[in-house]
Amino acid sequence: AAGVIQSPRHLIKEKRETATLKCYPIPRHDTVYWYQQGPGQDPQFLISFYEKMQSDKGSIPDRFSAQQFSDYHSELNMSSLELGDSALYFCASSFLKSGTSFYNEQFFGPGTRLTVL
Amino acid sequence: DAKTTQPPSMDCAEGRAANLPCNHSTISGNEYVYWYRQIHSQGPQYIIHGLKNNETNEMASLIITEDRKSSTLILPHATLRDTAVYYCIVRVDPYAGGTSYGKLTFGQGTILTVHP
Repeated sequence: AAGVIQSPRHLIKEKRETATLKCYPIPRHDTVYWYQQGPGQDPQFLISFYEKMQSDKGSIPDRFSAQQFSDYHSELNMSSLELGDSALYFCASSFLKSGTSFYNEQFFGPGTRLTVL
Repeated sequence: DAKTTQPPSMDCAEGRAANLPCNHSTISGNEYVYWYRQIHSQGPQYIIHGLKNNETNEMASLIITEDRKSSTLILPHATLRDTAVYYCIVRVDPYAGGTSYGKLTFGQGTILTVHP
């Protein structure tokens, strides 16, 4: 079965540079979520999109922005990178429009490991 | 979303049942109990969820107390591959909460170590 695809899997950047992370949800899924997991920490919700509109916002820095495109893929743009942005970034997708909570389970991608030097 | 409390770590022998407890004493009537797990540095994986009835699937069983203030995830025959961090998450059903789109709020989970 198709899974959530994230690219790149690894990314190394310098401080103050920019980075773009991409997420391709499972086909037919209409909702995308972004999570950040720092070293030794639990995943933290950043932002989500439902049907290409921002649906929820968590502790996402102003330096970060995200969007969901017409083909439902999503991109997380990160500017003025700081050392503290080094983390695993997970994208997850779900099918909210299915109308039943049973199908709302979130499927997570393998993550993008961002290292800021 | 209601807060959950889980033990920081547990051990289990391979082949035995692993029983992972979770307290959620402030749970509301429209909040479900979800369990996810994360195997080292992989994306979290959905296990099971329930509202008030006990649930079972191919991975695990979920036992929710009658007052819904606590629950237990049961892995009936733990294997070495079940070693992971297990997260108990309480959240509003996106179809019952109006403004909820299903974000997950991860707290401190339980590190389950299955040993031979």
